Amino acid sequence: ETGVTQSPTHLIKTRGQQVTLRCSSQSGHNTVSWYQQALGQGPQFIFQYYREEENGRGNFPPRFSGLQFPNYSSELNVNALELDDSALYLCASTQWVSGANVLTFGAGSRLTVL
Amino acid sequence: AQSVTQPDIHITVSEGASLELRCNYSYGATPYLFWYVQSPGQGLQLLLKYFSGDTLVQGIKGFEAEFKRSQSSFNLRKPSVHWSDAAEYFCAVLMEYGNKLVFGAGTILRVKS
Repeated sequence: ETGVTQSPTHLIKTRGQQVTLRCSSQSGHNTVSWYQQALGQGPQFIFQYYREEENGRGNFPPRFSGLQFPNYSSELNVNALELDDSALYLCASTQWVSGANVLTFGAGSRLTVL
Repeated sequence: AQSVTQPDIHITVSEGASLELRCNYSYGATPYLFWYVQSPGQGLQLLLKYFSGDTLVQGIKGFEAEFKRSQSSFNLRKPSVHWSDAAEYFCAVLMEYGNKLVFGAGTILRVKS
């Protein structure tokens, strides 16, 4: 039981469409981050939100956007989907443990773009 | 540039044998280091972490890792592998003031009986 739940678990879209992925983290975890894991690769940092504001971004274009809500849920939105957006998208909530951040990941949403 | 290298893409070990998965990092400051495990179709589970202090850290499922600053390494070990350990293992470094994790490409562990 990770305490981080993601939905949907799987979805299929076509090129050019838009998608919204959702994440619910534990109460009190006010930092959430999103990662993209392409097949056969390690996860890549997309962005992080802290208290509903974007607080860091990786090398992803603006068509990747996010929202964080007061109830500790968040969304990842991707516009104008491309074939290369096919990946597992992971949400993580952050706890401050022993002087550093520890990330707890959800099971992910697997997106296939056709 | 900050990076994490896992030199072995695949490793196969016999059940009951010992295991060592290699991880090297490139980071100018004191690193915060992690090992995660991912079973097929699953998310990432934290095995262990190193922040400071004792360079040998213990984790869940009988895993341990040793931080060696002089070698910029954080290798994962287990004395006796079980078939259920078959999974993909990722080493990661927490960077940019704790803002993001940078992951290696992963090592796929296969366990043969």
